[in-house]
Amino acid sequence: AQTVTQSQPEMSVQEAETVTLSCTYDTSESDYYLFWYKQPPSRQMILVIRQEAYKQQNATENRFSVNFQKAAKSFSLKISDSQLGDAAMYFCAYSSRGAQKLVFGQGTRLTINP
Amino acid sequence: AAGVIQSPRHLIKEKRETATLKCYPIPRHDTVYWYQQGPGQDPQFLISFYEKMQSDKGSIPDRFSAQQFSDYHSELNMSSLELGDSALYFCASSSEKSGRTDTQYFGPGTRLTVL
Repeated sequence: AQTVTQSQPEMSVQEAETVTLSCTYDTSESDYYLFWYKQPPSRQMILVIRQEAYKQQNATENRFSVNFQKAAKSFSLKISDSQLGDAAMYFCAYSSRGAQKLVFGQGTRLTINP
Repeated sequence: AAGVIQSPRHLIKEKRETATLKCYPIPRHDTVYWYQQGPGQDPQFLISFYEKMQSDKGSIPDRFSAQQFSDYHSELNMSSLELGDSALYFCASSSEKSGRTDTQYFGPGTRLTVL
C-alpha cells in the first residue's frame, strides 16, 4: 500500500519570504500522480499543484513550485513571496494512475508572519 | 467555473439516527469520490463511483452506503450514527473523458455532528 509522510507538522515564514514544505512517499508503482492541496480555515480543499511521475520537469503554478525527486520518492512544495492568504494546512497526496483514490499525508500547518 | 456542490453544509444528528449527504459533481465529471476527515486528521477515502458503478472502496463502515445516480450526483447514506462519525465529509469529482482523471476537485464538505 502507498503511504505519504509529511514530517513537518508546523512551519512558519515571514511574509514575502520563501518556504519549502517536505513530503516523502512510498510506492512500488512507476506511474502515479502527486498533489499538494491547501486547506484554509474554511476547511475547503483547494488544489495547489499537480505532478505526473513520468514527467521529469517540475510543475509550477505562479508562486508555487515543486521539487520532484522520483528516485528519492520526495515531493517538496516551494512557496515564493509568501502572502498572508497562504496560511493554511497543506496536504501532500498520492494517487495511482487511472481515477484512483487519493492517499494523503498528515499535513503541515503553515503560518505566515506579517 | 462551476464547482462541486454538497448539501447540506452542516448536519446535526442524534446517535442511532440516519443521515444522507448529497454531492453534485462538476458538470461533465463522471467520477465521484467520498472522503471523511476527522478532527485534526487527514482525509480518508471512503468510496468512489465511475459511471454509476462503484469503482473502489476504502475504510467505509458497513453502516454506510452510497450510490451514484443517472445524473451523476451521488448520495452517502449513514445509518445507526455513532459519536465517532462526527467529521467533515468531502465529495470530490474528476473527469476521465477530459483526460484528467487523476485531478480531483473537492466540494466544500458537509460537517456532520453526532450528539
